[in-house]
Amino acid sequence: AQTVTQSQPEMSVQEAETVTLSCTYDTSESDYYLFWYKQPPSRQMILVIRQEAYKQQNATENRFSVNFQKAAKSFSLKISDSQLGDAAMYFCAYRRGGGGTSYGKLTFGQGTILTVHP
Amino acid sequence: DTGVSQDPRHKITKRGQNVTFRCDPISEHNRLYWYRQTLGQGPEFLTYFQNEAQLEKSRLLSNRFSAERPKGSFSTLEIQRTEQGDSAMYLCASSPQGLAGPNTGELFFGEGSRLTVL
Repeated sequence: AQTVTQSQPEMSVQEAETVTLSCTYDTSESDYYLFWYKQPPSRQMILVIRQEAYKQQNATENRFSVNFQKAAKSFSLKISDSQLGDAAMYFCAYRRGGGGTSYGKLTFGQGTILTVHP
Repeated sequence: DTGVSQDPRHKITKRGQNVTFRCDPISEHNRLYWYRQTLGQGPEFLTYFQNEAQLEKSRLLSNRFSAERPKGSFSTLEIQRTEQGDSAMYLCASSPQGLAGPNTGELFFGEGSRLTVL
């Protein structure tokens, strides 16, 4: 079974600084997708960034970028120029490749609470 | 479109009572998912619908749990004879059909229904 581990229960960063959240995963699959989701307090979870395992290039979305190390099974999220609105719980998630029922069946990590200090 | 909506947002019940949660997905999404999130943990997959068909159920979904999606629109999740261990946030998510393109793997979550069993 696939597992996703986030070893940092909490992280903090000063506004405008950079922070990196860590995630490791375990799988025997070669085709899969990785995601970072953000869950603000009392609000719905939203997708931050996704990475296809077959792509060597690291995904970027504005201030968010990932460091995908497939051999090491590591998938970290870097947030640059942190803003107060970035404060949330961040979840790393894994999905098997292919279709069918695996499409939306995500395996989540335990989450990292990010605090942004003004 | 207002996104995925869930009702009620909070439910407090006594052990042994039945509860029902409703989820209204984004209207053009034919896939609907239920996840359970306990405090300080990541969401765990419960079940998945494509249109009105329930295609997969997790082993976490005991026989006290039942989910339906009549007519392929809204979905309900019923828990019978609630136990204190059922206390959690129940998250609903939806996604459009299709494996390619920018929507690959992205789930659109509701704000969740928090259940407290006394």
